[in-house]
Amino acid sequence: GQSLEQPSEVTAVEGAIVQINCTYQTSGFYGLSWYQQHDGGAPTFLSYNALDGLEETGRFSSFLSRSDSYGYLLLQELQMKDSASYFCAAHNTNAGKSTFGDGTTLTVKP
Amino acid sequence: NAGVTQTPKFQVLKTGQSMTLQCAQDMNHNSMYWYRQDPGMGLRLIYYSASEGTTDKGEVPNGYNVSRLNKREFSLRLESAAPSQTSVYFCASSEQKNQPQHFGDGTRLSIL
Repeated sequence: GQSLEQPSEVTAVEGAIVQINCTYQTSGFYGLSWYQQHDGGAPTFLSYNALDGLEETGRFSSFLSRSDSYGYLLLQELQMKDSASYFCAAHNTNAGKSTFGDGTTLTVKP
Repeated sequence: NAGVTQTPKFQVLKTGQSMTLQCAQDMNHNSMYWYRQDPGMGLRLIYYSASEGTTDKGEVPNGYNVSRLNKREFSLRLESAAPSQTSVYFCASSEQKNQPQHFGDGTRLSIL
């Protein structure tokens, strides 16, 4: 089977930097995606890593280490609107399906 | 460009009733997915279609059926609704399997 672990909650202050970690156990691993979901909303895609290293998209960056089965999402210059749930998702090359983590609730305080 | 469109947005059913949730995407994506999300939980895959003409079971397929009607449309059917199927249902699509997914706004389904 496949499983992903991420912290359930993270709290940070406006303007700070926060890192949300994700470790995975999966066969046929292809890549790792990150999604943001505000309360009552739909998940929206943030970042994707198929190769080791850092991907940067504005204030958000994502990192992957295949050898460590580990990735993280880095959010810089935090804003109040970044308060949301963040999910990592592992893509499986053989089956073509994805498994999501249970999500990390980020609370940004003034 | 609408992206992924789900209908209806809200629905209340009685136990035993049947219902089809509709999903359509206009991005010419090959792969489509159905997830359910229970309060405070992550997304659990019900069924997916890696390409037109194929469908496969996900983590929680029991009580559901799907149809990939064409490249654009992927429907989810509850034949005999049960209270345990009360959830928010999300449809998603991706250009190819293993690629990042784009989600619809969800269908909030309550079964009494």
